[in-house]
Amino acid sequence: GQSLEQPSEVTAVEGAIVQINCTYQTSGFYGLSWYQQHDGGAPTFLSYNALDGLEETGRFSSFLSRSDSYGYLLLQELQMKDSASYFCAVRAADSSYKLIFGSGTRLLVRP
Amino acid sequence: NAGVTQTPKFQVLKTGQSMTLQCAQDMNHNSMYWYRQDPGMGLRLIYYSASEGTTDKGEVPNGYNVSRLNKREFSLRLESAAPSQTSVYFCASSKKENTEAFFGQGTRLTVV
Repeated sequence: GQSLEQPSEVTAVEGAIVQINCTYQTSGFYGLSWYQQHDGGAPTFLSYNALDGLEETGRFSSFLSRSDSYGYLLLQELQMKDSASYFCAVRAADSSYKLIFGSGTRLLVRP
Repeated sequence: NAGVTQTPKFQVLKTGQSMTLQCAQDMNHNSMYWYRQDPGMGLRLIYYSASEGTTDKGEVPNGYNVSRLNKREFSLRLESAAPSQTSVYFCASSKKENTEAFFGQGTRLTVV
């Protein structure tokens, strides 16, 4: 099976950098992905790491280390609109392709 | 460009009533999913369908049934609703090979 752990809450100041960590246990997976969800909204895709290393998409970067079963999402130049919940997710490496999510990290950006 | 469409958006049921949540996607995706989201619990997988004609249980399937009617549609049925099923339900779809999942806007279900 798969399980993922994330901190429940993170607080940061506007303009700062914040890192949201995700550790996972899985028998096999295709990669680690990240989703953002604003209150009352639906999750939306942010990034995906199939291989070890850093992937950068604008102000957001995501990192994966398969040997450490660890990944993180890095948000730079924080803006108030970045206040949301962030979920890491893994896709099973079997024919099911099922997508399992962590419990989410609530990010609060303060002025 | 509808993406993933869920109906209804809101629903209130009495304990013991049944209902079906509808989901349709127009992106020709093979895989479809039903999740429930409770405060502090993240997204928990109820059922999924890796391709048309197949369905499998996820993490929390008890009390639910699903039907993959065709490639576009994947419905979730509550046969006898219980207060513990009060939650926000999300349908999602993705290509098999692509990890990006697209979500519907959710159904807010209250069972009283």
